[in-house]
Amino acid sequence: DMQMTQSPSSLSASVGDRVTISCRASQSISRNLNWYQQKVGTAPKLLIFATSSLQGGVPSRFSGSGSGTDFTLTISSLQPEDFATYYCHQTDTTPWTFGQGTKVEIK
Amino acid sequence: QVQMVQSGSEVKKPGASVKVSCKAFGYIFTTYHITWVRQAPGQGLEWMGCIGGYSGKANYEPKFEGRVTMTTETSTSTVYMELSSLTSDDTAVYYCARGDTAPDVWGQGTLVTVSS
Repeated sequence: DMQMTQSPSSLSASVGDRVTISCRASQSISRNLNWYQQKVGTAPKLLIFATSSLQGGVPSRFSGSGSGTDFTLTISSLQPEDFATYYCHQTDTTPWTFGQGTKVEIK
Repeated sequence: QVQMVQSGSEVKKPGASVKVSCKAFGYIFTTYHITWVRQAPGQGLEWMGCIGGYSGKANYEPKFEGRVTMTTETSTSTVYMELSSLTSDDTAVYYCARGDTAPDVWGQGTLVTVSS
């Protein structure tokens, strides 16, 4: 199976900070990479699909980049509602797989 | 408004089966796949498979092959996921979501607890 490794596993940041989360695939996945946000007790929410396309209704402070094996989710200015766990998700090769998650906590 | 509404929580004994439903609202059911993902307590997301809303053809994560069956009922825009031979490791919240390559609308989740 395609392994997806996120880093860091957790981070502490302040409101207004720029936050970057990395996701590395064990093989090239072209640009077939999504990002999800999950808050405790709720379903995941699609933020970005196909590496860099912003899902409708998602604030523009979220952005994605990368290709091949290395991908990045950036939050340009962290807001209180952004404290959550973020997952990358590859849909290049079945079985689709998720990263282990990155928990963004308040500093 | 597009919505995925799942059936309620279940408690099952080891060795039993569970069948979770997911009813779609607000879009043409046959134009999208439905994906199933589960999340064990305190753990990450695990893809289980997906099924075509039109074709009814399913693609399963190999670790569930032989234990999972996904089916569609187009007359009611409902998808079912049945998991058999349950063990305590299957205790999790099970989610359905619209779409296969970028699931965008998710159900509220169904908690399945396996306990003797």
